This record gives sequence, structure tokens and C-alpha cells, in this order.
Amino acid sequence: GQSLEQPSEVTAVEGAIVQINCTYQTSGFYGLSWYQQHDGGAPTFLSYNALDGLEETGRFSSFLSRSDSYGYLLLQELQMKDSASYFCAGDASGGSYIPTFGRGTSLIVHP
Amino acid sequence: DGGITQSPKYLFRKEGQNVTLSCEQNLNHDAMYWYRQDPGQGLRLIYYSQIVNDFQKGDIAEGYSVSREKKESFPLTVTSAQKNPTAFYLCASSPQGALSNQPQHFGDGTRLSIL
Repeated sequence: GQSLEQPSEVTAVEGAIVQINCTYQTSGFYGLSWYQQHDGGAPTFLSYNALDGLEETGRFSSFLSRSDSYGYLLLQELQMKDSASYFCAGDASGGSYIPTFGRGTSLIVHP
Repeated sequence: DGGITQSPKYLFRKEGQNVTLSCEQNLNHDAMYWYRQDPGQGLRLIYYSQIVNDFQKGDIAEGYSVSREKKESFPLTVTSAQKNPTAFYLCASSPQGALSNQPQHFGDGTRLSIL
């Protein structure tokens, strides 16, 4: 099985950089995804790390270290619209890519 | 534009009643999923389907049923056996499901409450 741990809440100010961590315990692991969800809305895909290292997509970057069972999402030049919940999701074991989601981190961006 | 449509947006269930949540996609995706989200919780998998006429139980399938008669449609029925159905239900799809690490596309969700 899998379990993924994230902080429940992170706060930051506009223009700052924030890092949301995700640690996981899993028997068999393919990669780590990140999704963003605004209140009451649909989660949207942000990034996927299949290999160790940093993946950069505009203001968002995601990092994975398999040896440490750890990943993070890095958000730069924070904007008010970045206030949302962020979920990490690990691919399930046993040859399946169906993700298991963490409980989510609520990011609050202050002016 | 392609996407996933869930309906209704809000749904109320009476005691002992079965209700069905609709999910339709025009993305030509093979795989479809149903998740339940409770406040402060992550998404928990109810059922998934990788191809038409086939579906598998997820982590919390008890009290729910699904069908996959068409590629585009994956309705979820919340039965009277589900004693705590109040939650936000999200439908998702992906191109090849469990065969590849493709991202999931989500609908806007249905919020179910008990009357």
C-alpha cells in the first residue's frame, strides 16, 4: 500500500517562494504527481516526476528523491491566485499507474 | 472544447434512497475514475474503469456501484447501503489509465448531501 504525508497548511506572502513537501511510504513506486485544487473546484494537473531531480514548468517546479522517499513542489513569484490546495499523488504499486493522493496542503497567499 | 462534465452540481438524498451521479467525457479517454473527497481529506478512489464493460473496486467501494456501457460515460450510484454519503464526488479520466503515467483530467464535481 501507499501513504503520502504533506503539511496541512502553508502561508506565504505575494512575490515569495514556497516549498510544499511530500514524503511517502510505498511498496513499489513509479512517480510523483502534483495537482492544484481551488475551493470547490476540479483538481488540475501541475507536474509529474518519474525520475529523480527537478522538473520546471514556469513558476512551478517539482522535485523527487527516490532514495529519500521525498518530493516537493516549489512555487515562485507567488500570486494571490496561487491560494489553493495542493495534492501530491504517488503511483500505485503492482504495475498500476493509478495514483494515491495525499491529504493536501492548503496554501494561503497574503498580500 | 473537450472535457469532463459532471451533473448535477448539487444533489440531495433522502434516507434509503439510491442516487446516481453522471459523468461524461468527450476526450476519447480509455480510463475513468470516481473519487470521494471529504473536508480536509485527499481524494479516495471509489471505482475505476480502464475499458468499456470493465471496472474495478477502489479503496472505498462499499455502498457504491458503477457501470461502463459506453466509453464516454461512467455513472456512479450511491446506494442506501452507503451510510455516510455526504461528500464531494469527483470524476476523472486519463488516456490509458493504469497502462501509463498520464495525468488525470477532472470534472467540476458533484456535492452530495443528505436531507
